[in-house]
Amino acid sequence: DVVMTQSPLSLSVTLGQPASISCRSSQGLVYSDGDIYLNWFQQRPGQSPRRLIYKVSNRDSGVPDRFSGSGSGTDFTLKISRVEAEDVGVYYCMQGTHWPRTFGQGTNVEIK
Amino acid sequence: EVQMVESGGGSVQPGGSLRLSCTASGFTFSNYWMNWVRQAPGEGLVWVSFINSDGGRTGHADSVNGRFTVSRDNAKNTLYLQMNSLRAEDTAIYYCVRDGRDGSLFDYWGQGTLVTVSS
Repeated sequence: DVVMTQSPLSLSVTLGQPASISCRSSQGLVYSDGDIYLNWFQQRPGQSPRRLIYKVSNRDSGVPDRFSGSGSGTDFTLKISRVEAEDVGVYYCMQGTHWPRTFGQGTNVEIK
Repeated sequence: EVQMVESGGGSVQPGGSLRLSCTASGFTFSNYWMNWVRQAPGEGLVWVSFINSDGGRTGHADSVNGRFTVSRDNAKNTLYLQMNSLRAEDTAIYYCVRDGRDGSLFDYWGQGTLVTVSS
């Protein structure tokens, strides 16, 4: 199975400051069609996960533009340009290129 | 509005069975691949099963293979997960998750249903 390794596992951020989460895969994630199936999800306390980013850098409808995704090969990053109180929660990366689909361990984001 | 509502969770003894359901609305269910993803208490997300749009192709995680079976009834807009030989480690919230079009994986999630396996 492809192992997805996130870092850090916990992040304490001052309101209005940037935050960055790294996700590294144990294998390359380029599919035979040329796409990279790397997604990012946010799970607020007590809620279901919500997709933020798909195929590395495509932001979902309704997701604030302070969220951005980037990366290539085996290294990917989720950035929050200015953290707001509503961004508190756990963030997961997920690869869908290889079966089984696998998630990172999650990164807990809190406000300092 | 896309909605998926899971049901069928509850408490069961080890070795028992449960069948989860996920009723979809707001989209043409028969056009989409569907998944089950679970989350043990205080833990991360784990993919469990997938099924393609017509039900002809399925896949399961090794941890549930041979015990869990995913199926669907497109006439009823419903996804199922039959869970047999349940173990304590199957205790989790089970989410119904849609795969969007053009490789847009895991675009919508249900609210989840809790399964507790305990004696």
